[in-house]
Amino acid sequence: AQRVTQPEKLLSVFKGAPVELKCNYSYSGSPELFWYVQYSRQRLQLLLRHISRESIKGFTADLNKGETSFHLKKPFAQEEDSAMYYCALAPTGGFKTIFGAGTRLFVKA
Amino acid sequence: KAGVTQTPRYLIKTRGQQVTLSCSPISGHRSVSWYQQTPGQGLQFLFEYFSETQRNKGNFPGRFSGRQFSNSRSEMNVSTLELGDSALYLCASSLTTGGTEAFFGQGTRLTVV
Repeated sequence: AQRVTQPEKLLSVFKGAPVELKCNYSYSGSPELFWYVQYSRQRLQLLLRHISRESIKGFTADLNKGETSFHLKKPFAQEEDSAMYYCALAPTGGFKTIFGAGTRLFVKA
Repeated sequence: KAGVTQTPRYLIKTRGQQVTLSCSPISGHRSVSWYQQTPGQGLQFLFEYFSETQRNKGNFPGRFSGRQFSNSRSEMNVSTLELGDSALYLCASSLTTGGTEAFFGQGTRLTVV
């Protein structure tokens, strides 16, 4: 069964501290993996996808097929990073994007 | 270009009524997905449409249905509303299906009283 697990509902860090939002997935094939972000009063939007292997707003995510993980990392958190983050899986050629339950990141001053 | 548009933005209905939500995708996008967002459950997949055909359906009762028109606009219908149906309903459009970026609307906030 396809599943995305985000074990932390809430993550609170101080400004300038490193942050890691965990994501584990269950899928038998080769999925496309994404991180979406929802800032307060804004619509859900794509943050990054694993195939682009780029850094967006200082965030990176590495796909670890052995551990079936796609953790989101940023070395120095900023207050404006406070938001709801969703990890998502889309089977290539499939018809359904599955989202994790989400992790609320709170960056304290 | 215009983003995904959902109407109405807010809706209050009473138990037992039915409701229809509308979603206009980004021009050129042929895939439309619907999600239910609640604080406790996060984003729950409802269904996806591509070229007027429902391609996949989530684990929701038959009271939840949808359709897609030839211009890719989509509607979602919920019949015999229950208090537990109160949620933010999000629509997302994609250029194609599977493995492509989803663009989300701002959602319709449904409150059932």
